[in-house]
Amino acid sequence: QVTLRESGPALVKPTQTLTLTCTFSGFSLSTSGMCVSWIRQPPGKALEWLARIDWDDDEFYDTSLRTRLTISKDTSKNQVALTMTNMDPVDTATYYCARAVGGYAYYIDVWGKGTTVTVSS
Amino acid sequence: EIVLTQSPGTLPLSPGERATLACRASQSFGGSYLAWYQQKPGQAPRLLMYGSSSRATGIPDRFSGSGSGTDFTLTISRLEPEDFAVYYCQQYGRSPYTFGQGTKLEIK
Repeated sequence: QVTLRESGPALVKPTQTLTLTCTFSGFSLSTSGMCVSWIRQPPGKALEWLARIDWDDDEFYDTSLRTRLTISKDTSKNQVALTMTNMDPVDTATYYCARAVGGYAYYIDVWGKGTTVTVSS
Repeated sequence: EIVLTQSPGTLPLSPGERATLACRASQSFGGSYLAWYQQKPGQAPRLLMYGSSSRATGIPDRFSGSGSGTDFTLTISRLEPEDFAVYYCQQYGRSPYTFGQGTKLEIK
């Protein structure tokens, strides 16, 4: 059974750096074809894809947030981290991590429950 | 960046009716690398379809997907009460792997 769980601070101040951790089980990020993505959803709004890291260390980022995001993995701990710098109130959202699988292109098949992050002074 | 436009924004229908949801891409993203997700209030999204027309594990066959290139459709043949939710499409053919803005399927 594949599960993912997001963890991190519920409240951050403007200009601070946010670090979220995704801890997963039921698969390994050292296995060919496995990837982990981060997606967020502001309250009442649509899903927004943020970043993805692949089994072969390839990294992909949202264009507009690229300069603020870093995704990394610790295969031995079954964890993926996302850091977002210079947080702003507009970054208030539920942040999801999710597994992506496939052969040539990779679709999200399992989601974590999400963690809510509020940016406020 | 590929922009996905979903229509309609809101779709009021009754149980038993047929639902047709559209997702149009601003440009082709190679192949049929499009997925559909269902999201209910307070829950994480759930994968319905991938590869435009392949149903995910456990998804009832009243859900079907079609399309290629820039135009895609999710069809629910006969709506059940549990199908009323928000539906998102996502392209995973070209980074950044963008989502549409969603279609809310509501009870008429």
